[in-house]
Amino acid sequence: EIVLTQSPGTLSLSPGERATLSCRASQSVSSRYLAWYQQKPGQAPRLLIYGASSRATGIPDRFSGSGSGTDFTLTISRLEPEDFAVYYCQQYGSSPRTFGQGTKVEIK
Amino acid sequence: QVQLVQSGAEVKKPGASVKVSCKASGYTFTSYGISWVRQAPGQGLEWMGRISAYNGNTNYAQKFQGRVSMTTDTSTSTAYMELRSLRSDDTAVYYCARDHYDSSGYVAYWGQGTLVTVSS
Repeated sequence: EIVLTQSPGTLSLSPGERATLSCRASQSVSSRYLAWYQQKPGQAPRLLIYGASSRATGIPDRFSGSGSGTDFTLTISRLEPEDFAVYYCQQYGSSPRTFGQGTKVEIK
Repeated sequence: QVQLVQSGAEVKKPGASVKVSCKASGYTFTSYGISWVRQAPGQGLEWMGRISAYNGNTNYAQKFQGRVSMTTDTSTSTAYMELRSLRSDDTAVYYCARDHYDSSGYVAYWGQGTLVTVSS
């Protein structure tokens, strides 16, 4: 089973700042099969990024994903008030399709 | 538009079973797989498994093997997840979610979640 470790656990930033979230895998994720989701309190997760770097439909271009192998990054170029949430990475290259434990982006 | 509507909250005693439904609309049901993901209170997301709505093939996380069953009813475009021998640590919100595209491996559409509480 591939274990995904996200860091930091919590990121305290102000609107307009840049957020950099990390997702590290215990073994290589095949074919960049990594997705990122955003979850707000009381809501289901929302797909942001798939294939490590492809934005899902309707996702603003301030969200970008990068990485390969075991190291992946989600970057939010300029935080908007609605971006404060918890972010999860998920690998889908092998079963089980594991999630990271999440990074909370909170308002500083 | 794609919609997944799940059944309502459940309260179960330890040792019992629960069956959560997920009714799909807005797309051809048999063209996409359905995954089940759960989230314990205040915790992260946990992938439980996936079922192909095309042929019923399932892929369960090892952790749930022998205790979970995922099925579909194509006549009603409904997916089901049954979890048996419930324990207190099965208390969670259970989500169904549809593949982004056929066999994509990740999901793009989510149900609203069903809270299952296991308590004596």
